[in-house]
Amino acid sequence: DTGVSQDPRHKITKRGQNVTFRCDPISEHNRLYWYRQTLGQGPEFLTYFQNEAQLEKSRLLSDRFSAERPKGSFSTLEIQHTEQGDSAMYLCASSLVIDSAGYQETQYFGPGTRLLVL
Amino acid sequence: AQSVTQLDSQVPVFEEAPVELRCNYSSSVSVYLFWYVQYPNQGLQLLLKYLSGSTLVKGINGFEAEFNKSQTSFHLRKPSVHISDTAEYFCAVRGMEYGNKLVFGAGTILRVKS
Repeated sequence: DTGVSQDPRHKITKRGQNVTFRCDPISEHNRLYWYRQTLGQGPEFLTYFQNEAQLEKSRLLSDRFSAERPKGSFSTLEIQHTEQGDSAMYLCASSLVIDSAGYQETQYFGPGTRLLVL
Repeated sequence: AQSVTQLDSQVPVFEEAPVELRCNYSSSVSVYLFWYVQYPNQGLQLLLKYLSGSTLVKGINGFEAEFNKSQTSFHLRKPSVHISDTAEYFCAVRGMEYGNKLVFGAGTILRVKS
């Protein structure tokens, strides 16, 4: 059983460039989450999908950020016109939700993509 | 405000000594509580979770945590730590008040010394 995978693991870019990260969840998991983790802080929620539908977005997700999960499988997170403040670890997590509330299910995290904006 | 507070940013401890990592949360309704561990340059791994039932929860690697509703705490403990337990530990909460996302504390770095 493969876990959550993320690509790339590291990305260095110049300010103003666009970057795209990919997350492949655990097979059959219907929920996919994106979090951002800055140095010395815990992960902060960005957005999540149930299958292909994006159900919630954090206020942290500015207009420069867009996430997709086109077929309910892998997801991409794109950041346009990157800024130095975007430097962080971007974590993806997936889970299998059976009941509608789903607060109890375990989220499984990938290794993260570390972004450095110069 | 919704929050999770991890009272210690770093905890140094000698190998084979006991350790407690503290976590307090704020919520007026039922919550679900989690502890995750993060090793350097890796993602988060679930150590244990409290959903309901017994307030003492046992997890992997010999860790356990106790849910205390009156004190809104969920402290993590291990009776005897190993060098390999050196990592960052995150407490997280979830529930109706928080929505489907996990809300994490700032983390506690556990440094085990020989």
